[in-house]
Amino acid sequence: GESVGLHLPTLSVQEGDNSIINCAYSNSASDYFIWYKQESGKGPQFIIDIRSNMDKRQGQRVTVLLNKTVKHLSLQIAATQPGDSAVYFCAENIAYSGAGSYQLTFGKGTKLSVIP
Amino acid sequence: DGGITQSPKYLFRKEGQNVTLSCEQNLNHDAMYWYRQDPGQGLRLIYYSQIVNDFQKGDIAEGYSVSREKKESFPLTVTSAQKNPTAFYLCASSTTGDTEAFFGQGTRLTVV
Repeated sequence: GESVGLHLPTLSVQEGDNSIINCAYSNSASDYFIWYKQESGKGPQFIIDIRSNMDKRQGQRVTVLLNKTVKHLSLQIAATQPGDSAVYFCAENIAYSGAGSYQLTFGKGTKLSVIP
Repeated sequence: DGGITQSPKYLFRKEGQNVTLSCEQNLNHDAMYWYRQDPGQGLRLIYYSQIVNDFQKGDIAEGYSVSREKKESFPLTVTSAQKNPTAFYLCASSTTGDTEAFFGQGTRLTVV
């Protein structure tokens, strides 16, 4: 999972296995969460999102689970492929100063390495 | 093609010089953001703008400045007051602040 520090947490999985990447978020007022994938030297790409009125959302080969009680988010990738190797970030959206002002805050990231 | 474009991809700056990073989007998005990413680190918010002619400081605004004179453009100036400017800079935009943000491909700034 994600943590404070200079080194990214790393997850190594065998090709074809399922991957689970965890994220703890900080603000109980956050109501929108996003997972991004970042390949080396590129900008982050959107994977999947979830709002706080849901606890699970599924996409193609990916599932996001939200546990608001413990402020925890996870990303599950089914049948992991070599192309899934990247750094994965969770982001939480926090509203500030009344309606219309939001700030998207990112976690530290987890590096996923897929072993062929 | 619609998207968000950052330029240049690589930028070198001498110590003591200001430098401006470009960010342009043709997605008709109201909100735009600048993030800084250091090696092995997450993204830290520098500035964000929810609407034209308005912007707010993020967590690490010191040594940076922005403007939002047009909806499509949100340039970031790294000033000489920024003590450690070498980093990967990412610009993003979204329809409103409460939707997914789309990222550019980043500018890698190196101080020489």
